[in-house]
Amino acid sequence: GAGVSQSPRYKVAKRGQDVALRCDPISGHVSLFWYQQALGQGPEFLTYFQNEAQLDKSGLPSDRFFAERPEGSVSTLKIQRTQQEDSAVYLCASSGSGRGTGELFFGEGSRLTVL
Amino acid sequence: QKEVEQNSGPLSVPEGAIASLNCTYSDRGSQSFFWYRQYSGKSPELIMFIYSNGDKEDGRFTAQLNKASQYVSLLIRDSQPSDSATYLCAAQRSSASKIIFGSGTRLSIRP
Repeated sequence: GAGVSQSPRYKVAKRGQDVALRCDPISGHVSLFWYQQALGQGPEFLTYFQNEAQLDKSGLPSDRFFAERPEGSVSTLKIQRTQQEDSAVYLCASSGSGRGTGELFFGEGSRLTVL
Repeated sequence: QKEVEQNSGPLSVPEGAIASLNCTYSDRGSQSFFWYRQYSGKSPELIMFIYSNGDKEDGRFTAQLNKASQYVSLLIRDSQPSDSATYLCAAQRSSASKIIFGSGTRLSIRP
């Protein structure tokens, strides 16, 4: 497709389960970002890739969160042993230029609910 | 202190008036600044970006940057009901660094 694609759109997990969220960026986009957005809040930075290199993971809230982009295209955000506070919308965004000009193209997000 | 601060609102403006949205940032090393619009239940989309001090105009939108005061603003002229959304301010230190968002200001345009 032409846009950023995220799956699943909705995920309900029991506390303690592992989840994996997938992001398929716009073809050819070098930069890929993951954000966490709680209800009524702005997107909180999690991690950033340039091609397959994870340049910044300072926003990952704990070692239960892990992200990868092994071939510089599709990315996966994995959350182990989910907790209720992990409930949020997880947004993936890609940017065409390695310069990271700031025009982020967002996917529709993956809404995670942890029971 | 959050790196990018915004008044959460809601800001209510009559149709046809000017809406003024403000943002401050704490990192003096920030070089690039962005305004994104987010409709309820949707993802953010870029409206404006600004790198240099002063004003930048695009249609009904004007972004203003004052690096000395660490202040960014967005003016929306001739406000329309379709402008009702949350406006997110964002800052970036360099071209290869993370983009930090504020918590957003909810804008409501009343007919």
